[in-house]
Amino acid sequence: DGGITQSPKYLFRKEGQNVTLSCEQNLNHDAMYWYRQDPGQGLRLIYYSQIVNDFQKGDIAEGYSVSREKKESFPLTVTSAQKNPTAFYLCASSMTAESYNSPLHFGNGTRLTVT
Amino acid sequence: DQQVKQNSPSLSVQEGRISILNCDYTNSMFDYFLWYKKYPAEGPTFLISISSIKDKNEDGRFTVFLNKSAKHLSLHIVPSQPGDSAVYFCAASASETSYDKVIFGPGTSLSVIP
Repeated sequence: DGGITQSPKYLFRKEGQNVTLSCEQNLNHDAMYWYRQDPGQGLRLIYYSQIVNDFQKGDIAEGYSVSREKKESFPLTVTSAQKNPTAFYLCASSMTAESYNSPLHFGNGTRLTVT
Repeated sequence: DQQVKQNSPSLSVQEGRISILNCDYTNSMFDYFLWYKKYPAEGPTFLISISSIKDKNEDGRFTVFLNKSAKHLSLHIVPSQPGDSAVYFCAASASETSYDKVIFGPGTSLSVIP
């Protein structure tokens, strides 16, 4: 079955440590995205990538970094510079970057807790 | 300031009755709207969309209504089933824009009581 795999499901880290969240898709989608979900708020876009080796900052990119070396993979690193890293992180992909023609497909998320 | 609002954080409905989930937006440039459904411990899944050239779009038990003058849309589920219990996110964008311009609402948690 095609889909998006995020790992791990739960992640615990100490403050000051960088941590990388994995996202892999086998849907052959061009575009991939990272969102963050906090209680009472909508999904907020961290980074997105429309093609391999290219990515752009979303609304809340500070303290995060990404890479897109392969079409199927879009890992997100939460750095120690991110002031409030504890959150639920969702990776998504779409066939193209246009919302009109191509709904988002989401992974099941990674819940990161930093103490 | 939230551009997409879902003012009811939660909603409870009896099985078989109608569920109505509301969404309001402030940006008059928005003219394409999507609804996503999310179960606990899973990612959201696309449910239904509507563009501003329509005021209604149906897909089985799910119907979305758009009132552009009021900047309001609603998702109707008829009849509601226990499996519909989930969080529903409304999202809005300018048509044909890329997803970096899509704005999500905070979600409404629907409970359908058997």
